Amino acid sequence: NAGVTQTPKFRILKIGQSMTLQCTQDMNHNYMYWYRQDPGMGLKLIYYSVGAGITDKGEVPNGYNVSRSTTEDFPLRLELAAPSQTSVYFCASSYEGPTYEQYFGPGTRLTVT
Amino acid sequence: AQSVTQLDSQVPVFEEAPVELRCNYSSSVSVYLFWYVQYPNQGLQLLLKYLSGSTLVESINGFEAEFNKSQTSFHLRKPSVHISDTAEYFCAVSDGASKIIFGSGTRLSIRP
Repeated sequence: NAGVTQTPKFRILKIGQSMTLQCTQDMNHNYMYWYRQDPGMGLKLIYYSVGAGITDKGEVPNGYNVSRSTTEDFPLRLELAAPSQTSVYFCASSYEGPTYEQYFGPGTRLTVT
Repeated sequence: AQSVTQLDSQVPVFEEAPVELRCNYSSSVSVYLFWYVQYPNQGLQLLLKYLSGSTLVESINGFEAEFNKSQTSFHLRKPSVHISDTAEYFCAVSDGASKIIFGSGTRLSIRP
């Protein structure tokens, strides 16, 4: 199993550009999550999904969108990138709810200039 | 609402010394508690978790944490650290519904 994979690893965007961060898991997990990690701030939940076709907002959803058309994929869309979205983005998945171990991808480092 | 506070942003210790990383939480309902570890340039990995039962939980690499309901704490300890334990450690809390709340992290640095 590859686990949770994320692409790209690094990206530099100009202000106002858009992009999609890809996340795929091959563990047949129902739950998937997107976090952002800023220095000294820990992880903040952006969006999560409890199954295909079902998504919900986390703590910091503004400026982002998600979709979950399959169990495996959970892309995160940034529209109109802003410098405040400079961060490291992690995708994670778990079998059922949050009492189950979350498996994290390697992260995407995004810089918006 | 739940929250978690990690009291130290950085903890420097000498190799083979004991270490304690402190974590306090607040919640109005029953909680599930976790410690995750992040090695440099990697994603997070589960270190240990408390769901129910014995209040002392252990990991395979010598860390342990004790759930203390009266003090709302879940401190992480290791009696003797190794250079390879250098990492950032995150405490997290969940009410068992749909998401986990992470603390701000404690960076553990080991000096030889």
